[in-house]
Formats: sequence, C-alpha cells, structure tokens
Amino acid sequence: EVVLTQSPATLSFSPGERATLSCRASQSVGTSLAWYQQKPGQTPRLLIYDASKRATGIPARFSGSGSGTDFSLTISSLEPEDFAVYYCQQRSDWPLTFGPGTKVDIK
Amino acid sequence: EVRLVESGGGLVQTGGSLSLSCATSGFTFTSYSMNWVRQAPGKGLEWIAYTDYSGSSAKNYADSVKGRFTISRDDANNLLYLQMNGLRDEDTAVYFCARGDWDYWGQGTLVTVSS
Repeated sequence: EVVLTQSPATLSFSPGERATLSCRASQSVGTSLAWYQQKPGQTPRLLIYDASKRATGIPARFSGSGSGTDFSLTISSLEPEDFAVYYCQQRSDWPLTFGPGTKVDIK
Repeated sequence: EVRLVESGGGLVQTGGSLSLSCATSGFTFTSYSMNWVRQAPGKGLEWIAYTDYSGSSAKNYADSVKGRFTISRDDANNLLYLQMNGLRDEDTAVYFCARGDWDYWGQGTLVTVSS
C-alpha cells in the first residue's frame, strides 16, 4: 500500500501569505496525485489532479507540482475562504490512498 | 447539472447490514467509474470501493472492507450501491459516493454502528 505523509498536520498563515503544503509518498506514484480541499461539514473539493493540472473552476492561485514521491500544493496568496483541510490522494496503485491531511488555519 | 445524492445511512447494530444508494443525474452514468469513500468522525478520508464503467466487471476494495462490503451499479437507473455486511464499530463514518474523475461528490450519508 502506498502511504502518503502530509506534514505538518497544521500550518498557520495570515491572509495574503503564500502557503506551500507537502505530500510525500512511500513509493513512486509518477504524477498520479491529486489534491482536495475540505471545509467543515462540506464535501471534499478536487483542486489538482495529475500532480499539476487544475480542476475545472479552481482559481489560478492554486498550483501543484512534483512527481515520483514528493509533491507540493501552493496557494500563492491566501484568501479567507482558503482556510481549510487539504488532502493529497494517490491514484497510481490499489488501494487508492489519501494522506492524513494538513489543516491551514489563520495565524 | 451533475448531482450525486446518497441515502440509506442510519444507526445499525454491530454485526448488522445496511445498503447505501447513490442516485446520480446530469451525466452519462454508464461512461464513468464510481467510488465510495468514507470519513470517520473528525478523521480523514478513506477510499473503500471502486467499480469500473458499465460493461466492465472490474471492482476493487480496501482491505478494511474486503469480503464484507459489495459495490454494484444499476446502469438503467443511474444508481450506485454499497451493500455493507458484518458491520463493525469502526465502520461508523460519513459515506460519500464520488464520480470516477473525482470531480463530483455526493453530500454524504452517516452510518453509525453501535453495540
């Protein structure tokens, strides 16, 4: 099973700051990695797929990068609505797995 | 408009069974694979089951549910199902259905397993 590690569990930022979140895979997943945003009580929202492709309707301030085992999600300038939990997911091997999530909260 | 609506959640005793449904609309259901994902209270996301698009019999399950849960689809009525048997306390979670491209999810249905 591919284990995804997201650390730290919580990151604190002020609105307008740049945020970079990390996701590391226990083995190579190529570029078969996605990022999701989830707010309390809401459904996960697909942000990035294939490591760097923005999903439909996702603002350009969200970008993804990486391949193999190391991936990043960058939010170029945090908006108030961006404070949420972010999960990575690998789609390279069965079983599909999610990382434990990184909470982005307001400093 | 693409819509996925889960139903069938509720309170069930340990060892019991429950069947979840996911009603879909707004897209060609037969052209998409589908997934079930769950989220225990206050915890992260866990993928649990996959079924390929109509015409393919390919299915996959997480080890945590293999042999107990069965995913199926009714292509004539654009429905996805999850039959859950031998429920355990640790199966308590909100269960989401998600389209194969992972771009659309339902709002989730809560399953509570308690002895």
